[in-house]
Amino acid sequence: EPEVTQTPSHQVTQMGQEVILRCVPISNHLYFYWYRQILGQKVEFLVSFYNNEISEKSEIFDDQFSVERPDGSNFTLKIRSTKLEDSAMYFCASSAGTDSYEQYFGPGTRLTVT
Amino acid sequence: AQKVTQAQTEISVVEKEDVTLDCVYETRDTTYYLFWYKQPPSGELVFLIRRNSFDEQNEISGRYSWNFQKSTSSFNFTITASQVVDSAVYFCALSEPLRDDKIIFGKGTRLHILP
Repeated sequence: EPEVTQTPSHQVTQMGQEVILRCVPISNHLYFYWYRQILGQKVEFLVSFYNNEISEKSEIFDDQFSVERPDGSNFTLKIRSTKLEDSAMYFCASSAGTDSYEQYFGPGTRLTVT
Repeated sequence: AQKVTQAQTEISVVEKEDVTLDCVYETRDTTYYLFWYKQPPSGELVFLIRRNSFDEQNEISGRYSWNFQKSTSSFNFTITASQVVDSAVYFCALSEPLRDDKIIFGKGTRLHILP
């Protein structure tokens, strides 16, 4: 069964460094998402992406964050200058459409900022 | 505003007992989806069920069952004859597809099944 993959599974970085989290969505999917889960808290929506554009973003998704689909398969989340509070699990998701289509989640990347 | 409330932060039951996880949601839309996800200690999100707002029929899948009641805005999840492998954090979630396609999660209920 096709699945969303994410790399790396765990990333440790120093405060102020740039980090790129990578996701490979399911191949025929057109809609892509990033969610974040701070340890012990709920999963929160960050951003949705369609047709090479951000379609919606939350208030968490400030100027430090950016997303990109650099080629036909990867979908990336970049954090420009990491802060301690960026430490979290980051989940990528993809779907074939909106409305009735299900979002499939990847296994997550645990980001630790020291 | 849309919101999902899981009032039970943590529940512990002894193996083989039945357990119900509560979920109450708020939405102004008449078209919405409700979800349950399981997050085991390994951290991934495991999809369990999606139910649309026009389908109030209860659903059973093996030891899992879901009770959707629009009158009380609740979508409760029951595990029958619980097993140690059911230990996880369970999230209830909501989406409003006519508004946007983000999924709004509750804070989760941590379920401990004791041997």
